[in-house]
Amino acid sequence: NAGVMQNPRHLVRRRGQEARLRCSPMKGHSHVYWYRQLPEEGLKFMVYLQKENIIDESGMPKERFSAEFPKEGPSILRIQQVVRGDSAAYFCASSPRTGHRQETQYFGPGTRLLVL
Amino acid sequence: DQQVKQNSPSLSVQEGRISILNCDYTNSMFDYFLWYKKYPAEGPTFLISISSIKDKNEDGRFTVFLNKSAKHLSLHIVPSQPGDSAVYFCAASRNTGTASKLTFGTGTRLQVTL
Repeated sequence: NAGVMQNPRHLVRRRGQEARLRCSPMKGHSHVYWYRQLPEEGLKFMVYLQKENIIDESGMPKERFSAEFPKEGPSILRIQQVVRGDSAAYFCASSPRTGHRQETQYFGPGTRLLVL
Repeated sequence: DQQVKQNSPSLSVQEGRISILNCDYTNSMFDYFLWYKKYPAEGPTFLISISSIKDKNEDGRFTVFLNKSAKHLSLHIVPSQPGDSAVYFCAASRNTGTASKLTFGTGTRLQVTL
C-alpha cells in the first residue's frame, strides 16, 4: 500500500525558471494539501484541493504560484519565475474522500527545491 | 502571528526516561490537535491526535494531554527509545465544517541518549 508519492525529491532551478512539483495521494484519498517548510521553521499551509477543485488557497502567494489536481493524474504545484526565497521543502499530504474535518493528513517525503 | 507555539527548540532525554514535549496555542477556535514526528529528509509521520472534547488520548508509549483552559497540550513518550530521536511537530485545526488545513508549530528536536 503505497503512501503519498512526491517527485522529484530534489529540484534545482536557476532564478527565473519554472518549478513543477508533483504529488500522488494515497490510494483512496481524494483530498490533497500542500505545505511549505522554510529552513528552521514549521510547515506552513499553502493550498487544499479536491479533484478538479481548489477548496482553500489562503496560504498561496498571490503571484507566481498555482496548484491543480486534475481528474486524472497527480496534483501539481507550479512556481513560475522562481526566486531564491522559494528555496524550501514542499510537502504534500492527503486524506480520505470522506472529507471529515478531523481526518488525519498523511504526508509525502517532500520535494526540496533549491533556487540558485 | 504564530498561533501554535513550541517554545523548546530542543530536548535531550536519557533512554528509558519520560520525554515531555509541550505545545501552546492562541486560537480558541482550534479543536483538533495532532503530533507528527519527522526525521531528516523525510515527510512528517502522524503519531497521535486528540479532539478538544477529550483531555487525554493514549496509544502505546505515546500519550497526549490537552488543557483547553490553558490552551496547552503535551506529548509524553514513555519509555523513551533512541529511535524516538527526531523533530516533533504539534499541529492544530479548527472547525470549518469540512476537512481543513493544519497549523504547525516550529518543532522540538528530541535527542534520546544512551
